[in-house]
Amino acid sequence: AQTVTQSQPEMSVQEAETVTLSCTYDTSENNYYLFWYKQPPSRQMILVIRQEAYKQQNATENRFSVNFQKAAKSFSLKISDSQLGDTAMYFCAFMKRGNNNDMRFGAGTRLTVKP
Amino acid sequence: GAVVSQHPSRVICKSGTSVKIECRSLDFQATTMFWYRQFPKKSLMLMATSNEGSKATYEQGVEKDKFLINHASLTLSTLTVTSAHPEDSSFYICSAPSRLVTGNEQFFGPGTRLTVL
Repeated sequence: AQTVTQSQPEMSVQEAETVTLSCTYDTSENNYYLFWYKQPPSRQMILVIRQEAYKQQNATENRFSVNFQKAAKSFSLKISDSQLGDTAMYFCAFMKRGNNNDMRFGAGTRLTVKP
Repeated sequence: GAVVSQHPSRVICKSGTSVKIECRSLDFQATTMFWYRQFPKKSLMLMATSNEGSKATYEQGVEKDKFLINHASLTLSTLTVTSAHPEDSSFYICSAPSRLVTGNEQFFGPGTRLTVL
Protein backbone atom coordinates (compact mmCIF):
# COMPACT_ATOMS: atom_id res chain seq x y z
CA ALA A 1 0.00 0.00 0.00
CA GLN A 2 1.13 3.52 -0.67
CA THR A 3 1.26 6.16 2.03
CA VAL A 4 1.77 9.87 1.66
CA THR A 5 2.99 12.00 4.54
CA GLN A 6 2.81 15.76 4.90
CA SER A 7 4.43 16.71 8.15
CA GLN A 8 3.49 20.41 8.16
CA PRO A 9 -0.17 20.91 9.14
CA GLU A 10 0.10 24.68 8.79
CA MET A 11 2.51 27.14 7.27
CA SER A 12 2.53 30.84 6.62
CA VAL A 13 4.56 33.08 4.36
CA GLN A 14 4.76 36.76 3.63
CA GLU A 15 3.48 37.94 0.29
CA ALA A 16 6.20 37.85 -2.40
CA GLU A 17 8.36 35.48 -0.36
CA THR A 18 9.14 31.84 -1.10
CA VAL A 19 7.79 28.85 0.80
CA THR A 20 8.44 25.12 0.56
CA LEU A 21 5.91 22.46 1.48
CA SER A 22 7.18 18.99 2.31
CA CYS A 23 5.89 15.61 1.22
CA THR A 24 7.28 12.11 1.57
CA TYR A 25 5.77 8.89 0.36
CA ASP A 26 6.26 5.19 0.66
CA THR A 27 5.78 2.75 -2.19
CA SER A 28 7.24 -0.37 -3.73
CA GLU A 29 6.13 0.76 -7.19
CA ASN A 30 8.66 2.00 -9.70
CA ASN A 31 6.30 3.72 -12.12
CA TYR A 32 4.02 6.33 -10.67
CA TYR A 33 2.95 9.95 -10.66
CA LEU A 34 3.11 12.52 -7.93
CA PHE A 35 0.87 15.55 -7.71
CA TRP A 36 0.31 18.67 -5.71
CA TYR A 37 -3.28 19.83 -5.50
CA LYS A 38 -4.59 23.10 -4.14
CA GLN A 39 -7.94 23.26 -2.37
CA PRO A 40 -9.15 26.82 -1.79
CA PRO A 41 -12.15 27.61 0.44
CA SER A 42 -14.47 26.66 -2.44
CA ARG A 43 -13.24 23.06 -1.86
CA GLN A 44 -12.64 22.55 -5.61
CA MET A 45 -9.48 20.52 -6.13
CA ILE A 46 -7.09 22.29 -8.48
CA LEU A 47 -4.03 20.63 -9.96
CA VAL A 48 -0.91 22.66 -9.23
CA ILE A 49 1.84 20.48 -10.63
CA ARG A 50 2.52 16.90 -11.70
CA GLN A 51 5.71 14.83 -11.72
CA GLU A 52 6.28 11.55 -13.51
CA ALA A 53 8.55 9.30 -11.50
CA TYR A 54 10.59 8.16 -14.46
CA LYS A 55 11.56 11.73 -15.27
CA GLN A 56 14.56 12.99 -13.38
CA GLN A 57 13.96 16.60 -14.24
CA ASN A 58 11.93 18.47 -11.66
CA ALA A 59 8.59 19.77 -12.90
CA THR A 60 7.93 23.51 -12.95
CA GLU A 61 4.78 25.51 -13.59
CA ASN A 62 5.37 29.26 -13.46
CA ARG A 63 5.87 30.12 -9.77
CA PHE A 64 5.52 26.50 -8.68
CA SER A 65 8.32 23.96 -8.79
CA VAL A 66 9.08 20.66 -7.14
CA ASN A 67 12.14 19.01 -5.71
CA PHE A 68 11.69 15.35 -6.54
CA GLN A 69 14.11 12.99 -4.83
CA LYS A 70 13.09 9.50 -5.95
CA ALA A 71 15.60 7.58 -3.86
CA ALA A 72 14.58 9.48 -0.75
CA LYS A 73 10.89 9.32 -1.75
CA SER A 74 10.54 13.01 -1.23
CA PHE A 75 8.46 15.45 -3.27
CA SER A 76 8.46 19.02 -1.98
CA LEU A 77 6.66 21.98 -3.51
CA LYS A 78 8.26 25.40 -3.74
CA ILE A 79 6.07 28.43 -4.26
CA SER A 80 7.97 31.52 -5.34
CA ASP A 81 6.71 35.08 -5.16
CA SER A 82 3.78 34.00 -2.99
CA GLN A 83 0.48 35.70 -3.69
CA LEU A 84 -2.56 36.18 -1.48
CA GLY A 85 -4.48 33.88 -3.81
CA ASP A 86 -2.13 31.05 -2.95
CA THR A 87 -3.78 30.79 0.46
CA ALA A 88 -5.35 27.32 0.51
CA MET A 89 -4.94 23.73 1.60
CA TYR A 90 -2.28 21.90 -0.36
CA PHE A 91 -2.39 18.15 -0.80
CA CYS A 92 0.38 15.91 -2.03
CA ALA A 93 -0.90 12.86 -3.90
CA PHE A 94 0.44 9.59 -5.28
CA MET A 95 -0.93 7.57 -8.17
CA LYS A 96 0.39 4.40 -9.73
CA ARG A 97 1.11 4.64 -13.43
CA GLY A 98 -1.52 3.13 -15.67
CA ASN A 99 -5.13 3.73 -16.50
CA ASN A 100 -7.89 4.14 -13.98
CA ASN A 101 -5.79 4.14 -10.85
CA ASP A 102 -6.90 5.89 -7.71
CA MET A 103 -5.00 8.63 -5.89
CA ARG A 104 -3.74 8.57 -2.33
CA PHE A 105 -3.49 11.87 -0.54
CA GLY A 106 -1.42 13.25 2.27
CA ALA A 107 -3.04 14.94 5.25
CA GLY A 108 -2.58 18.37 3.73
CA THR A 109 -0.81 21.61 4.62
CA ARG A 110 -2.79 24.76 5.26
CA LEU A 111 -0.85 27.64 3.72
CA THR A 112 -1.59 31.23 4.62
CA VAL A 113 -0.03 34.04 2.63
CA LYS A 114 0.14 37.20 4.71
CA PRO A 115 0.03 40.67 3.20
CA GLY B 1 -10.50 20.46 -20.89
CA ALA B 2 -12.14 17.63 -18.96
CA VAL B 3 -14.94 18.71 -16.63
CA VAL B 4 -16.61 16.74 -13.86
CA SER B 5 -19.82 17.94 -12.28
CA GLN B 6 -21.60 16.89 -9.11
CA HIS B 7 -25.20 17.32 -8.10
CA PRO B 8 -26.37 18.49 -5.69
CA SER B 9 -23.72 20.80 -4.32
CA ARG B 10 -25.42 20.82 -0.92
CA VAL B 11 -28.04 18.61 0.63
CA ILE B 12 -29.65 18.52 4.04
CA CYS B 13 -31.68 15.51 5.01
CA LYS B 14 -33.29 13.94 8.03
CA SER B 15 -31.77 11.00 9.81
CA GLY B 16 -32.96 7.71 8.34
CA THR B 17 -33.54 8.96 4.82
CA SER B 18 -31.47 8.17 1.73
CA VAL B 19 -29.59 10.67 -0.37
CA LYS B 20 -28.32 10.27 -3.92
CA ILE B 21 -25.31 12.20 -5.23
CA GLU B 22 -24.53 12.29 -8.95
CA CYS B 23 -21.12 12.57 -10.57
CA ARG B 24 -20.97 13.31 -14.29
CA SER B 25 -18.11 13.57 -16.74
CA LEU B 26 -19.32 16.32 -19.06
CA ASP B 27 -17.03 16.10 -22.05
CA PHE B 28 -15.38 12.72 -21.81
CA GLN B 29 -16.21 9.15 -21.04
CA ALA B 30 -15.10 7.60 -17.78
CA THR B 31 -15.16 3.85 -17.32
CA THR B 32 -13.89 4.45 -13.81
CA MET B 33 -14.76 7.09 -11.27
CA PHE B 34 -13.63 7.48 -7.69
CA TRP B 35 -15.55 8.59 -4.63
CA TYR B 36 -13.79 10.36 -1.79
CA ARG B 37 -14.95 11.60 1.58
CA GLN B 38 -13.47 14.61 3.28
CA PHE B 39 -14.08 15.63 6.88
CA PRO B 40 -13.53 19.26 7.90
CA LYS B 41 -9.88 20.26 7.73
CA LYS B 42 -8.93 16.71 6.81
CA SER B 43 -7.66 14.96 3.74
CA LEU B 44 -9.54 13.12 1.02
CA MET B 45 -10.13 9.49 1.88
CA LEU B 46 -10.90 7.09 -0.94
CA MET B 47 -14.20 5.34 -0.33
CA ALA B 48 -14.69 3.30 -3.47
CA THR B 49 -13.90 2.84 -7.12
CA SER B 50 -16.90 2.96 -9.41
CA ASN B 51 -16.66 0.76 -12.50
CA GLU B 52 -18.98 1.15 -15.46
CA GLY B 53 -21.05 -1.96 -15.99
CA SER B 54 -19.73 -3.83 -12.96
CA LYS B 55 -19.69 -3.72 -9.18
CA ALA B 56 -17.87 -1.03 -7.33
CA THR B 57 -14.75 -1.79 -5.35
CA TYR B 58 -14.88 -0.54 -1.77
CA GLU B 59 -11.99 0.41 0.48
CA GLN B 60 -11.55 -1.45 3.71
CA GLY B 61 -13.91 -0.18 6.38
CA VAL B 62 -16.44 1.32 3.96
CA GLU B 63 -19.86 -0.31 4.20
CA LYS B 64 -21.02 -1.22 0.71
CA ASP B 65 -24.63 -1.56 1.86
CA LYS B 66 -24.47 1.89 3.37
CA PHE B 67 -22.87 3.61 0.41
CA LEU B 68 -24.42 2.25 -2.77
CA ILE B 69 -22.61 3.03 -5.99
CA ASN B 70 -24.06 2.67 -9.46
CA HIS B 71 -22.07 3.41 -12.62
CA ALA B 72 -24.77 2.87 -15.21
CA SER B 73 -23.21 4.79 -18.09
CA LEU B 74 -19.84 6.03 -19.28
CA THR B 75 -20.58 9.52 -18.00
CA LEU B 76 -22.51 9.00 -14.78
CA SER B 77 -21.80 7.47 -11.39
CA THR B 78 -24.13 7.82 -8.42
CA LEU B 79 -23.46 7.46 -4.72
CA THR B 80 -26.47 6.77 -2.52
CA VAL B 81 -26.09 7.16 1.20
CA THR B 82 -28.75 4.88 2.63
CA SER B 83 -30.41 5.41 6.00
CA ALA B 84 -28.26 8.43 6.60
CA HIS B 85 -27.19 9.35 10.12
CA PRO B 86 -25.48 12.47 11.48
CA GLU B 87 -22.09 10.75 11.37
CA ASP B 88 -22.48 10.48 7.59
CA SER B 89 -22.38 14.27 7.37
CA SER B 90 -19.33 15.10 5.30
CA PHE B 91 -18.03 16.49 2.03
CA TYR B 92 -18.14 13.95 -0.79
CA ILE B 93 -15.97 14.40 -3.87
CA CYS B 94 -15.83 12.35 -7.05
CA SER B 95 -13.07 12.20 -9.61
CA ALA B 96 -12.52 10.64 -13.00
CA PRO B 97 -9.42 10.00 -15.08
CA SER B 98 -9.52 11.36 -18.60
CA ARG B 99 -7.62 9.93 -21.51
CA LEU B 100 -8.10 13.23 -23.27
CA VAL B 101 -5.26 14.50 -21.15
CA THR B 102 -1.84 12.92 -20.97
CA GLY B 103 -0.35 11.96 -17.67
CA ASN B 104 -3.36 10.11 -16.37
CA GLU B 105 -4.56 13.21 -14.65
CA GLN B 106 -7.74 12.94 -12.67
CA PHE B 107 -10.42 15.57 -12.71
CA PHE B 108 -12.39 16.36 -9.61
CA GLY B 109 -15.97 17.37 -9.18
CA PRO B 110 -16.76 20.42 -7.05
CA GLY B 111 -18.00 18.24 -4.20
CA THR B 112 -21.26 17.72 -2.35
CA ARG B 113 -21.78 18.82 1.22
CA LEU B 114 -24.10 16.43 3.03
CA THR B 115 -25.65 17.41 6.32
CA VAL B 116 -27.76 14.86 8.15
CA LEU B 117 -29.96 16.25 10.89
